[in-house]
Amino acid sequence: DAGVIQSPRHEVTEMGQEVTLRCKPISGHNSLFWYRQTMMRGLELLIYFNNNVPIDDSGMPEDRFSAKMPNASFSTLKIQPSEPRDSAVYFCASSLAQGTGLGSGTQYFGPGTRLTVL
Amino acid sequence: KNQVEQSPQSLIILEGKNCTLQCNYTVSPFSNLRWYKQDTGRGPVSLTIMTFSENTKSNGRYTATLDADTKQSSLHITASQLSDSASYICVVSGGSGYALNFGKGTSLLVTP
Repeated sequence: DAGVIQSPRHEVTEMGQEVTLRCKPISGHNSLFWYRQTMMRGLELLIYFNNNVPIDDSGMPEDRFSAKMPNASFSTLKIQPSEPRDSAVYFCASSLAQGTGLGSGTQYFGPGTRLTVL
Repeated sequence: KNQVEQSPQSLIILEGKNCTLQCNYTVSPFSNLRWYKQDTGRGPVSLTIMTFSENTKSNGRYTATLDADTKQSSLHITASQLSDSASYICVVSGGSGYALNFGKGTSLLVTP
């Protein structure tokens, strides 16, 4: 398996623009996670899907952020409108969880998307 | 408030030496604790995962220990190699809804 695939790897955009990040989880995994990582705040969980259903989105910073998982093999994280403080590395991870608990199953991370908002 | 504190923030050691990284947490109830290794420019990779009943777990030269009574964990690296240079992140699962609680990581540099 190719592992978790994310695109694009790098994104530079201007404030106010819409940004869409994409993720293809490992085939057969039933859980998908979106994370944001910055030097100041470290790794933060944004949203968690189980069997394509959003289970916990309490980490989504505000209404400008939205995430979808239309099927088991694809998810998107959208920021509209983007702001400079959204600049970070965004990771997608997937796992085969034994329940809906966030802690079950080993998570496999993608390479990340480095977002820069000017 | 559920918190995960890692120390030291950064560490420099000579190749071949051993080192120990610390993780203290206040997460309750506790479900499990994981250590991740993150190379620069890459996503984190899981090293170990320990539940309440496990005191120690090894993965090659990496050995993690857990003291659930004192809520402390350590990651010991034996005979360090240059490739061990990375950030090591402690993640504790637990609390309300068994959420994931992240430490800010220890940055390790192994020098020749």
